[in-house]
Amino acid sequence: EVQLVESGGGLVKPGGSLRLSCAASGFTFSSYSMNWVRQAPGKGLEWVSSISSSSSYIYYADSVKGRFTISRDNAKNSLYLQMNSLRAEDTAVYYCARDQSLRWPIDYWGQGTLVTVSS
Amino acid sequence: AIWMTQSPSLLSASTGDRVTISCRMSQGISSYLAWYQQKPGKAPELLIYAASTLQSGVPSRFSGSGSGTDFTLTISCLQSEDFATYYCQQYYSFPYSFGQGTKLEIK
Repeated sequence: EVQLVESGGGLVKPGGSLRLSCAASGFTFSSYSMNWVRQAPGKGLEWVSSISSSSSYIYYADSVKGRFTISRDNAKNSLYLQMNSLRAEDTAVYYCARDQSLRWPIDYWGQGTLVTVSS
Repeated sequence: AIWMTQSPSLLSASTGDRVTISCRMSQGISSYLAWYQQKPGKAPELLIYAASTLQSGVPSRFSGSGSGTDFTLTISCLQSEDFATYYCQQYYSFPYSFGQGTKLEIK
C-alpha cells in the first residue's frame, strides 16, 4: 500500500524557517517524481514544487522561488521542503504527492501537515 | 503559465442527478488534464487522468471528456458520497496549475 506521511509542520513567525519531511513507503520511491502541493485554509489547491526521480529536474511556483528548496533522499525514501523567509500567505496544509514522471498526473497524496506563519 | 477557469464554483444538486463541471485552459494542453475529488479534512483523490481515463477503483458514473482547451467532468446519477469539492489540474507544463474548485452540495 502506498503511504506518504508528512511531518515538520507547526507555528513559525514571519521571516522564520521550517523544514517539512515526507516519508514514503509501499512503492519504489526512487522511480517516481515527487511534489509539494499546498492548500491555504478554506482555499483551493496550489502546486508548490516538483522534483524528478533522480533530482535532475526541479521546478518551483513563482510564489516560493528563491525561498523554498525541494530535495529528496532516495536511500531514505524521503522528500523534503526547506522553507525560508516565511510569510503569512504561506500558511497552509502542505501535501506530499507523487507522480510517475513529467506529464503524468499526481496519483497519491499524503494527509498533509499544517504550517502556520503568524507572530 | 497556463491559466485555468473552472466553473461553476458552487453546484447544488440532488441524489440521482447528472452534473457537469467545466474547465477551460488559457492555451492548449492536449489531454494532460486530471480531475480530483476532495472531501473536508482529507487529501484530494485522483478520479480521472489524461482527460478521460478513469483511475482504478473509481466508479463508472464519473467520466471526463475534452482536449486542447476545454474539458468536462460528468457525474451521472449522483450518490451521497459524491458531494465534495472537485478540482481540475493541468500537468502539461510547469508551473502545474489547478482550477479554483467546484463545491458540489446537496440541494
